[in-house]
Amino acid sequence: DAGVIQSPRHEVTEMGQEVTLRCKPISGHDYLFWYRQTMMRGLELLIYFNNNVPIDDSGMPEDRFSAKMPNASFSTLKIQPSEPRDSAVYFCASSTGTGRSPLHFGNGTRLTVT
Amino acid sequence: AQTVTQSQPEMSVQEAETVTLSCTYDTSENNYYLFWYKQPPSRQMILVIRQEAYKQQNATENRFSVNFQKAAKSFSLKISDSQLGDTAMYFCAFMIPRVGGTSYGKLTFGQGTILTVHP
Repeated sequence: DAGVIQSPRHEVTEMGQEVTLRCKPISGHDYLFWYRQTMMRGLELLIYFNNNVPIDDSGMPEDRFSAKMPNASFSTLKIQPSEPRDSAVYFCASSTGTGRSPLHFGNGTRLTVT
Repeated sequence: AQTVTQSQPEMSVQEAETVTLSCTYDTSENNYYLFWYKQPPSRQMILVIRQEAYKQQNATENRFSVNFQKAAKSFSLKISDSQLGDTAMYFCAFMIPRVGGTSYGKLTFGQGTILTVHP
């Protein structure tokens, strides 16, 4: 089991550019989550999917953010256009949603928007 | 909506001593799970311990144990024989297991407690 795989590990971009973060969940996990971590706001849930369908996107900050899950093994989080306040660590996590198999996190992508 | 509160932004402890991190939560649900995650400087999120709400017995994992008080909605983490490698941010988290709807299957986190273990 390779765990949840995120790429890239670090991303530095200029304001106004499009940023795409990628995630491969653990095989067999049908829940996928995108979290954002900042010093000021802690860990925030942005969106989560169940069986590739978005269930709750109320945490997505604004229309500049979008997430897709075209199949069970891949998800993207896109920011367009990016702004300096989007700088954060973005985590992807997956689970079976039962609590017996809690969330397994990827190593995160540190995004810096200059 | 569920909320999780960690009232201690920072804690410190001497190596080999015991420390307790506090967590309270608010929910109207009866069946749920509680977790403690550890985030060391490497930023990896590591599950430390898990408690099922319907189990009265407190969970233990080696040097880590919890004091689960369901009526008080309290879920504290005790670390015994603290080691330098325990230095990390610790997050308390809450989850309603999958049933359906937008409230299920997701983790709600507290703000975290930074624990520093001194030699």
